[in-house]
Amino acid sequence: FMLTQPHSVSESPGKTVTISCTRSSGSIASNSVQWYQQRPGSSPTIVIYEDNQRPSGVPDRFSGSFDSSSASLTISGLRTEDEADYYCQSYDASNRNVVFGGGTKLTVL
Amino acid sequence: EVQLLESGGALVQPGGSLRVSCAASGFSFTNHVMNWVRQAPGKGLEWVSAISGSASATYYADSVKGRFTISRENSKSTLFLQMDSLRAEDTAVYYCANSLTGWHVLTYWGRGTLVTVSS
Repeated sequence: FMLTQPHSVSESPGKTVTISCTRSSGSIASNSVQWYQQRPGSSPTIVIYEDNQRPSGVPDRFSGSFDSSSASLTISGLRTEDEADYYCQSYDASNRNVVFGGGTKLTVL
Repeated sequence: EVQLLESGGALVQPGGSLRVSCAASGFSFTNHVMNWVRQAPGKGLEWVSAISGSASATYYADSVKGRFTISRENSKSTLFLQMDSLRAEDTAVYYCANSLTGWHVLTYWGRGTLVTVSS
């Protein structure tokens, strides 16, 4: 299966943005979704795991959710430092393969 | 503090071989799945391979199956990726990542090592 994300989103500081992640086949609820942030020139870091869990140190402005058709990453109170690429990730339990979405470039302007 | 430090990236000719390494510290290396993920220049993330803590099980993306081999040396907390029959499309930064909260969650990532396949 594949995971599809919007190529880019933009929003103003202080506002809220939501990034979607849609699974090409099967239910998005079948396997948990993780979200990673990659700032320019840096390695990815995890911001959400198991659909909606926040690792320690990740601000509560970041939240994850899903409905019948897609998973979502919501960032509230946007800051300029949130400007980054965001990737969703899930997995195929049958062959233990990890699958990434194509990434979404978030611009905060 | 968890640290993952990749090394061994280089310029390699098409059809050549290369082994990259990842030195790990700050967590119980033997008890956790380890992964390789790559990122071609200007592109997104692509999972490459994973290995269980005991090295008894390995998993590969279809794009590298039969050409790449993942391994680990637990006594030295080091992960390896042997890459053979390299192609131009294998050009990428290769990251190692551990899985501390479940095999499907890539918890910490290294800084990556660049592999360039070109004549």
